[in-house]
Amino acid sequence: GAGVSQSPSNKVTEKGKDVELRCDPISGHTALYWYRQSLGQGLEFLIYFQGNSAPDKSGLPSDRFSAERTGGSVSTLTIQRTQQEDSAVYLCASSLAPGYNEQFFGPGTRLTVL
Amino acid sequence: DAKTTQPTSMDCAEGRAANLPCNHSTISGNEYVYWYRQIHSQGPQYIIHGLKNNETNEMASLIITEDRKSSTLILPHATLRDTAVYYCIVRSQKFYFGSGTKLNVKP
Repeated sequence: GAGVSQSPSNKVTEKGKDVELRCDPISGHTALYWYRQSLGQGLEFLIYFQGNSAPDKSGLPSDRFSAERTGGSVSTLTIQRTQQEDSAVYLCASSLAPGYNEQFFGPGTRLTVL
Repeated sequence: DAKTTQPTSMDCAEGRAANLPCNHSTISGNEYVYWYRQIHSQGPQYIIHGLKNNETNEMASLIITEDRKSSTLILPHATLRDTAVYYCIVRSQKFYFGSGTKLNVKP
C-alpha cells in the first residue's frame, strides 16, 4: 500500500495483559513516530526513530512502554501490564527524513483496556 | 520546542474564508510552523508549513507575521468537509500537538 498501515485497528484487552501494536511505515521513510490520543484530547508524543540512531524515548509515559524498529522499517509498540488509563488511540507516522518534512499518519489502533 | 496557543473552537459559514490563528511567541529562529488537521476518527493530515514567508498550496494559505510570533491558516472557501480539529505546531525536531482548534463549518 501507499500509506502508513497499523494493526490491529482495534484491540480490547484485560488489565494486566501485554499488548503489541504494529506500524508499517511508507517504504523509504527513515523517520517513524508513535503518538497516543486519549478521547477528546490532542496527540501525545511517545517515541521517535530516526534511521539507525538511538530512538528518542522522551515521551514514553512509563517503563511499561517500549518500542522497537526492526531493519529500519516495521515498528512495534509494546505495552506491558496494561492499565485502564492506557486506553487510547495509538497513532504511528512516518516521514521521508527527519527534520522538516511532513509526517504521514496511519489510521491508528484503538486500544481498550477493561 | 516552542509552545503554541490556539482558540478552542471556531465557527465558519460554508463558502466563506476560515481564518485560524495561532500564537507561538517563543518560537526560535530555525523552527518551522506546521499546520495539520484531524477529521473525526482519522489520523492527522498535513496541510502546510512555513518558516518566514507566506505560503500557499492547493489546500490553504499560511500567513506568518514578520516577528514570527503568530500565524494564521486561511481556508479560502470552507466546505462542510473542512470541519475538523486544526493543529498548529512549531518544531525543531519533534512534534508536540496541543489541543488544536475545532473548526465547525456550518451550512
